[in-house]
Amino acid sequence: DQQVKQNSPSLSVQEGRISILNCDYTNSMFDYFLWYKKYPAEGPTFLISISSIKDKNEDGRFTVFLNKSAKHLSLHIVPSQPGDSAVYFCAASAQGGSEKLVFGKGTKLTVNP
Amino acid sequence: NAGVTQTPKFRVLKTGQSMTLLCAQDMNHEYMYWYRQDPGMGLRLIHYSVGEGTTAKGEVPDGYNVSRLKKQNFLLGLESAAPSQTSVYFCASSYPRMYEGGPRAKNIQYFGAGTRLSVL
Repeated sequence: DQQVKQNSPSLSVQEGRISILNCDYTNSMFDYFLWYKKYPAEGPTFLISISSIKDKNEDGRFTVFLNKSAKHLSLHIVPSQPGDSAVYFCAASAQGGSEKLVFGKGTKLTVNP
Repeated sequence: NAGVTQTPKFRVLKTGQSMTLLCAQDMNHEYMYWYRQDPGMGLRLIHYSVGEGTTAKGEVPDGYNVSRLKKQNFLLGLESAAPSQTSVYFCASSYPRMYEGGPRAKNIQYFGAGTRLSVL
């Protein structure tokens, strides 16, 4: 049973526009959420995170929104740049779970010049 | 500051051979993890460790063993490799999560560059 779901395997946007990546989760014990970015042949790198006590976290061009009642989070990238083209993974953890992360399957973002 | 270093970067094995993947971190992190990534599957946790001398099973532990003899190193072993173990393996490390707002509150895992393993 997939606890973290990214239902869009791919997304294509134009440079300068907004990219919105979505993530849904089923485990109500999750209280910390992260987004990782991965380029080919490299390891995932941390992008932004949000605690369940917040509903929004912003870092430059990247904003993560959390809707706990819907068990849904989204990553907004504004404006999108060609260098943002990568696979984005949503991940979640539960307190007391040895900080184990449960990952979604990823969304491949392509930003076209 | 190297972060998380994985050795080797690439390896080809024949079915039944054994090998050990090495992960080293220089951030003094207590926790370390081994994941595998397969096409369309995301990252799945194999084994993890919450401290020197401790190990625990993750989501897909069968066919793998691990050891954490030193805080900075986490080894992943394949005793008898199978084609189903062809994958990209990632090691990660982190601090334990603290209370919100604390210096270690972010619970970020830092990843190595990966090891591409093919089992023929």
